[in-house]
Amino acid sequence: QVQLVESGGGLVKPGGALRLSCETSGFYFNDYYITWVRQAPGKGLEWVSYISSSSFAKYYADSVKGRFTISRDNAKSSVDLHMNDLRVDDTAVYYCARGREGNNWIESWGRGTLVTVSS
Amino acid sequence: SSELTQPPSVSVSPGQTARITCSGDTLPKQYAHWYQQKAGQAPLLVIFKDTERPSGIPERFSGSTSGTTVTLTITRVQAEDEADYYCQSAGSGGTSPWIFGGGTRLTVL
Repeated sequence: QVQLVESGGGLVKPGGALRLSCETSGFYFNDYYITWVRQAPGKGLEWVSYISSSSFAKYYADSVKGRFTISRDNAKSSVDLHMNDLRVDDTAVYYCARGREGNNWIESWGRGTLVTVSS
Repeated sequence: SSELTQPPSVSVSPGQTARITCSGDTLPKQYAHWYQQKAGQAPLLVIFKDTERPSGIPERFSGSTSGTTVTLTITRVQAEDEADYYCQSAGSGGTSPWIFGGGTRLTVL
């Protein structure tokens, strides 16, 4: 079955860095874009970043532009999100999710990984 | 930037019909999609392209659209439908593929 499993979350101080990973299985990875969506404690969903199936297109929310970098390895069916200069308001559960290229709805989501930015 | 507006909460009794709205200026031109998020779980797609239902989603869930408003309708509401519901569409800017509404908490009384 389709699986997306996030890892790499944890506690980090403001200004610090983390690398989140999304390992996938159960589908042909090369046909899908991957997107990251976060959810601050008790808040709604916020789109963070997108990478196309070929890595040709990469997009970032204004709130993370210049600090976060997304990449993918189609040979390993995985995606990384490098997060630098973390701020307190980056604290959230980060979900990895997939959609079929050409569609802008999200078909499947991982269970999320918690990032806590605190001194 | 574009926005999607949802009511913070909707309450219904079991067996009744729940309607959750989502309003935005871009909705006449862009499809909207709906996600259900139960407490402690990841979101789940329940409606895509305004009215389409993914396989495995009960027929009680339906979507409709009228002008700048899309509506998620849940008929014969059950206790298990209690969750947060989010609409999502494309952003108006070329580099913002996704925007989400603020979410609506559906309470089954």
